[in-house]
Amino acid sequence: DAGVIQSPRHEVTEMGQEVTLRCKPISGHNSLFWYRQTMMRGLELLIYFNNNVPIDDSGMPEDRFSAKMPNASFSTLKIQPSEPRDSAVYFCASSSSRQGSKYFGPGTRLTVT
Amino acid sequence: GDSVTQMEGPVTLSEEAFLTINCTYTATGYPSLFWYVQYPGEGLQLLLKATKADDKGSNKGFEATYRKETTSFHLEKGSVQVSDSAVYFCALSEGNSGYALNFGKGTSLLVTP
Repeated sequence: DAGVIQSPRHEVTEMGQEVTLRCKPISGHNSLFWYRQTMMRGLELLIYFNNNVPIDDSGMPEDRFSAKMPNASFSTLKIQPSEPRDSAVYFCASSSSRQGSKYFGPGTRLTVT
Repeated sequence: GDSVTQMEGPVTLSEEAFLTINCTYTATGYPSLFWYVQYPGEGLQLLLKATKADDKGSNKGFEATYRKETTSFHLEKGSVQVSDSAVYFCALSEGNSGYALNFGKGTSLLVTP
């Protein structure tokens, strides 16, 4: 199995630009999670989906952040407009059920200048 | 709410030394407990887990026992190797929070030859 796939692996953008991060979960997994990792705050859950439906987005920092899961094999996390404080590593994880073990992608390192 | 507390790092050990990384948790229900490992520049990998009290998770020489009476899940390894140098995260999940992982802040381990 290819595991969870994320793209791009690195993104450098200027403040105010739109950023879109992409995730392909493991085939057959029906739960998908987006996390953000920073030195100051550690790993934070942003949002998670079950069967393509957003279940809890209370971790999304503000309205500039949005996430979609149009089908079982693809999800996006969008930041518009981006700000320097959004600089972090963004991880996507999937599991075969909500209770199941979560498998993480390699992450996208975002730098907003 | 649910939370996980890990010992502060960094932890520096010589090769073949005994490792303990402390982890305690607070939860309203009956959580599952996990240890994840993050090698430099990579995503998180599930190291081991335990789903109920007194369960012992083990993998690659690492062990952790789910202790409900002390609300702890300490990670141990009898003889560490240089290749074990990484950041270790304790985490919990339970139904009250939709089974999303709630992480500790991570403990950095450096093993020297």
